[in-house]
Amino acid sequence: SQQGEEDPQALSIQEGENATMNCSYKTSINNLQWYRQNSGRGLVHLILIRSNEREKHSGRLRVTLDTSKKSSSLLITASRAADTASYFCATENTGTASKLTFGTGTRLQVTL
Amino acid sequence: KAGVTQTPRYLIKTRGQQVTLSCSPISGHRSVSWYQQTPGQGLQFLFEYFSETQRNKGNFPGRFSGRQFSNSRSEMNVSTLELGDSALYLCASSLITAGYQETQYFGPGTRLLVL
Repeated sequence: SQQGEEDPQALSIQEGENATMNCSYKTSINNLQWYRQNSGRGLVHLILIRSNEREKHSGRLRVTLDTSKKSSSLLITASRAADTASYFCATENTGTASKLTFGTGTRLQVTL
Repeated sequence: KAGVTQTPRYLIKTRGQQVTLSCSPISGHRSVSWYQQTPGQGLQFLFEYFSETQRNKGNFPGRFSGRQFSNSRSEMNVSTLELGDSALYLCASSLITAGYQETQYFGPGTRLLVL
């Protein structure tokens, strides 16, 4: 079964706008990771944030983690058409190292 | 470094048959995990191997099995295929440092269609 939910399920924005996706999870975690998937292909790792971190940046990506609320958000700034994909959060839960539990995903559509 | 490779990329089987999928991890990565992705259930963990030992197993029936070789390459096998086994099977490899799981890098997947 999946760990939690991602919100929204689908998001449509115009190029240049920012996109924010949220992820909620249910149990305590070691880390949380965000992945991108294009059209049912393999997953591309975007960023990993550990449970003792609150915010992390990588290029146009900004991830926050609130362990008290069991939630994370992914912000993509200045979006591009090439950012069109499904985005998944995945948690490595405490006590289950090496197993990722994925969220339901957010489908992002960036239009010109 | 070459990424995670999976073979075959596409496969069509009929119910009752068995299938073996292969995964070659990134050089130096000793942990290999397998996931199943379907439209209904999403991404679900199958199992993880480290140094030829299964360390973790997901909630799948015994028809799903795997193994890892001394060179860290891994195979997964599904016996007595059912229609519901149609899915994208993803393999991921990672380093284990100081006991912590590092980033999992995924291969392109094997798309299995069971008729």
